[in-house]
Amino acid sequence: QSVLTQPPSVSGAPGQRVTISCTGSSSNIGAGYDVHWYQQLPGTAPKLLIYGNSNRPSGVPDRFSGSKSGTSASLAITGLQAEDEADYYCQSYDSSLRVFGGGTKLTVL
Amino acid sequence: QVQLVQSGAEVKKPGASVKVSCKASGYTFTSYGISWVRQAPGQGLEWMGWISAYNGNTNYAQKLQGRVTMTTDTSTSTAYMELRSLRSDDTAVYYCARDVGCSGGSCYSPYFDYWGQGTLVTVSS
Repeated sequence: QSVLTQPPSVSGAPGQRVTISCTGSSSNIGAGYDVHWYQQLPGTAPKLLIYGNSNRPSGVPDRFSGSKSGTSASLAITGLQAEDEADYYCQSYDSSLRVFGGGTKLTVL
Repeated sequence: QVQLVQSGAEVKKPGASVKVSCKASGYTFTSYGISWVRQAPGQGLEWMGWISAYNGNTNYAQKLQGRVTMTTDTSTSTAYMELRSLRSDDTAVYYCARDVGCSGGSCYSPYFDYWGQGTLVTVSS
């Protein structure tokens, strides 16, 4: 049971927009801690995608965006591409511990 | 460029210990912490703990308390994670990651900006 809750899977056709939610509680996201997102392509290490709720590291396309409100956060991907098919994880901070969501598998139809 | 290079795959018997290394380069090692994250086959990411490369302070996930020890060697910019009393459910890929967001003994919304390539640890009799 993960501290942060994500949908197990989402899907979309190429060119479409998809969103992945990340729901926390008053001890993590709701306490004001930032949410970060990671992309894990099959067979590879996770990669930082969004940090500080909505900031993209250098090299991450602006098709990826993040937002946070209350006890939840969202990752949006626009102009979906086949190469976006991967697992996505949200991460935050809770009681001095780093916590992850259970992960969401994105399928590009 | 920042790189974290981990040691190779390990096969261990139940009850044994494993020690995984993570050699950092491309940045000032003592300016950041290192977190360890593991991923069991087909499962999600699990944070194991954090160590400050500046002063060696640690913070471990409760479920691993007493079985895990994280250390650093600043002379070689290398972090280590030792897990003892291995069980079959410790079979996983273990990742080290540079941990950003802690300074002067306090942390604010830390995250992981660079990751090692992962080390597969298989626990089997």
